[in-house]
Amino acid sequence: GAVVSQHPSRVICKSGTSVKIECRSLDFQATTMFWYRQFPKQSLMLMATSNEGSKATYEQGVEKDKFLINHASLTLSTLTVTSAHPEDSSFYICSARDLVGSLSTDTQYFGPGTRLTVL
Amino acid sequence: GENVEQHPSTLSVQEGDSAVIKCTYSDSASNYFPWYKQELGKRPQLIIDIRSNVGEKKDQRIAVTLNKTAKHFSLHITETQPEDSAVYFCAASLGWTGGGADGLTFGKGTHLIIQP
Repeated sequence: GAVVSQHPSRVICKSGTSVKIECRSLDFQATTMFWYRQFPKQSLMLMATSNEGSKATYEQGVEKDKFLINHASLTLSTLTVTSAHPEDSSFYICSARDLVGSLSTDTQYFGPGTRLTVL
Repeated sequence: GENVEQHPSTLSVQEGDSAVIKCTYSDSASNYFPWYKQELGKRPQLIIDIRSNVGEKKDQRIAVTLNKTAKHFSLHITETQPEDSAVYFCAASLGWTGGGADGLTFGKGTHLIIQP
């Protein structure tokens, strides 16, 4: 149980284009999903918290107009990198917290990540 | 905000020996502390976690200890095996508060190398 998927696993795009990444909880519902970014040989950095049916909460220094987050259902959150540039190249990983009844557990289950390369 | 420090950055141990990785955190309100194992190019995998109302937790060869007063927690791996080689991350968060959600603040990671 508690499987999170991401699509696509890899994407290469030209500078200036937009890229959408999907994060799905396959066998559980998640009112809250998180988006992290990981540069090579570095740690994971929280970008934003995605709440189903409401606006995302962004961490300091993360541009909300550049990284658009939509959490339209209890099993799907999307991250759109708009007008991507080479410095946006990174490993983007989502996570989801299991919703058990009306309570959420602390445990975060991570997706397999999306490797974005902007040329 | 929360700040998590992790040491060492690289740890090399002989197969069969124990490995210890230490983390400190800054926010006394944090009450959830997971440890993740990440292999190259793959997702982080939760290996063990601990909440602030518990001082120690064990799962077979893996244990975690927490000292809330000192704001530090440690991962202990006994009888290490080659497949334990990976990058390990500690993290901290406020945890589920019932009124919102809180993301994880990660340490910088420890590259654990098990020497055969």
